[in-house]
Amino acid sequence: ETGVTQSPTHLIKTRGQQVTLRCSSQSGHNTVSWYQQALGQGPQFIFQYYREEENGRGNFPPRFSGLQFPNYSSELNVNALELDDSALYLCASSVQGGGRGYTFGSGTRLTVV
Amino acid sequence: GENVEQHPSTLSVQEGDSAVIKCTYSDSASNYFPWYKQELGKGPQLIIDIRSNVGEKKDQRIAVTLNKTAKHFSLHITETQPEDSAVYFCAAAYYGGATNKLIFGTGTLLAVQP
Repeated sequence: ETGVTQSPTHLIKTRGQQVTLRCSSQSGHNTVSWYQQALGQGPQFIFQYYREEENGRGNFPPRFSGLQFPNYSSELNVNALELDDSALYLCASSVQGGGRGYTFGSGTRLTVV
Repeated sequence: GENVEQHPSTLSVQEGDSAVIKCTYSDSASNYFPWYKQELGKGPQLIIDIRSNVGEKKDQRIAVTLNKTAKHFSLHITETQPEDSAVYFCAAAYYGGATNKLIFGTGTLLAVQP
């Protein structure tokens, strides 16, 4: 059973740029969620995708957007990067409506300078 | 709004002692309470979880208790070992709806001194 894999592991971007982060879900999982974890904080829910549609969103602006593909992998896109976007971005996969909760990837460390 | 408070923020114990971390949640609809261990440079790893129809669950040295009335749940680690040193997060969620988002606590840095 493969786990959740994320790429890249680290990324440095300049303020105002755009970034795309990628996630492959665990085998058998059909739902993908993205979380932002600032240094020293707990993860904060960004949004969740199921059947290639967003079906839940946290308190994040529209410049945070995502996609889910037919193979259940996902992308997180962030436009007009701000310094405060610097964080660890975590992808988590699960089974919609059941299962034993989420499996997290190791994250992408994004630094905005 | 939805909130999970977690205490303490740091905890230092001697190897072999017990460690207890406590959380309080605000959303009475929450029915799923996982605990995650996060080591440096890694994502959170699920160590134990409990659903609202159960008051206590144990897995070897780890146990979790839930008091739905008080909206409290706790993680108990017995016979701590140096490899237990990590950041621990509690979380709460309404599991089974359209969106199963986790609301995390702020984390507890556990240091087990050999």
